[in-house]
Amino acid sequence: GQQLNQSPQSMFIQEGEDVSMNCTSSSIFNTWLWYKQDPGEGPVLLIALYKAGELTSNGRLTAQFGITRKDSFLNISASIPSDVGIYFCAGSNAGGTSYGKLTFGQGTILTVHP
Amino acid sequence: SQTIHQWPATLVQPVGSPLSLECTVEGTSNPNLYWYRQAAGRGLQLLFYSVGIGQISSEVPQNLSASRPQDRQFILSSKKLLLSDSGFYLCASTGGYSPLHFGNGTRLTVT
Repeated sequence: GQQLNQSPQSMFIQEGEDVSMNCTSSSIFNTWLWYKQDPGEGPVLLIALYKAGELTSNGRLTAQFGITRKDSFLNISASIPSDVGIYFCAGSNAGGTSYGKLTFGQGTILTVHP
Repeated sequence: SQTIHQWPATLVQPVGSPLSLECTVEGTSNPNLYWYRQAAGRGLQLLFYSVGIGQISSEVPQNLSASRPQDRQFILSSKKLLLSDSGFYLCASTGGYSPLHFGNGTRLTVT
């Protein structure tokens, strides 16, 4: 089955630094999504990407859908303490009932030191 | 926008006991509904999905079952829990072409 390799597994950074994480897949996806999860809560959608090569921003977050459709990255600029959490990439071959059938990466645990 | 309610938030159950976790969705009609499980705070695995009342598809063989008695209600059940059923269970929904949104989950500990 499809697998997503997400890296790095964890990051320890200083407040104000930029962060970059990425996901690669052994097969293509039609949609890439990035979620953030705080402890004890469900993942919250950050950015959705629907087209190969697409670059999308949401505030200090920027994500790109790789041109090969097998990878995606997420950048966070000027990190702040509330950026702490687990970040997940997810891929989907969206369409009809498959729209919510996501394959998730293993997550990147982000720690921000003030 | 969609709101997904899950309960209970935490649950401790002995091995062999039954399980019923409930999820309801507001703010959309005819949603596709999903149950995901997350082990040890890492990646999520799809367990079941439903495209309509009474329609359930299972993604992985397991000790659990799902039911959808109403359009916006999704239930995860087990007749006899195993230790390996412990985990964080998340209900999720898509409406139309919106991306997947998650509830706040139920932390299940089987002792």
